[in-house]
Amino acid sequence: RKEVEQDPGPFNVPEGATVAFNCTYSNSASQSFFWYRQDCRKEPKLLMSVYSSGNEDGRFTAQLNRASQYISLLIRDSKLSDSATYLCVVIPISSGSARQLTFGSGTQLTVLP
Amino acid sequence: DAGVIQSPRHEVTEMGQEVTLRCKPISGHNSLFWYRQTMMRGLELLIYFNNNVPIDDSGMPEDRFSAKMPNASFSTLKIQPSEPRDSAVYFCASSALGETQYFGPGTRLLVL
Repeated sequence: RKEVEQDPGPFNVPEGATVAFNCTYSNSASQSFFWYRQDCRKEPKLLMSVYSSGNEDGRFTAQLNRASQYISLLIRDSKLSDSATYLCVVIPISSGSARQLTFGSGTQLTVLP
Repeated sequence: DAGVIQSPRHEVTEMGQEVTLRCKPISGHNSLFWYRQTMMRGLELLIYFNNNVPIDDSGMPEDRFSAKMPNASFSTLKIQPSEPRDSAVYFCASSALGETQYFGPGTRLLVL
């Protein structure tokens, strides 16, 4: 079983739609959680952190369910510019002082006009 | 501010040749990471350094791969000899200790 699993998609949604992605992780001791965004032929960039209490950044909402070991990302009122691959990222218990990220394989989103 | 700088951006080489990828982390960052991304395997951590010291190289595929960080502002990833299955995008990322990782633009490697 992969450490971090995501539905690869693709998700094709019309502009203005609400779309949600889920991600499951296998290590129950995982410490920190993030969503990264990767545009086509570009590098991954941090979209948002995921906190236990849930957090919102504009049209984006991230939630964490430790009991079920999944995190989610909700995008409301989707824009054409939201088209990208969304990567779920988990940090296990640190074995060193650097923060080693484990990436999911990504979920591809295309927002259609 | 300059982000993570990688060179070359593209590399095409023949099987058996040596390939050297270069990375300059963001100034002041003390952790540096090398990743490889392919369609089949996604984004994989190869090795990371803390204060120029390699901490975990368990992701390095085999002895053909080696990485160095001679100082805080420079790192190399070397493949010798290269093979077609090494074709991928190689990303370098850096972070200040415990904070967000910032990725460079990547090096697209094609081994023929």
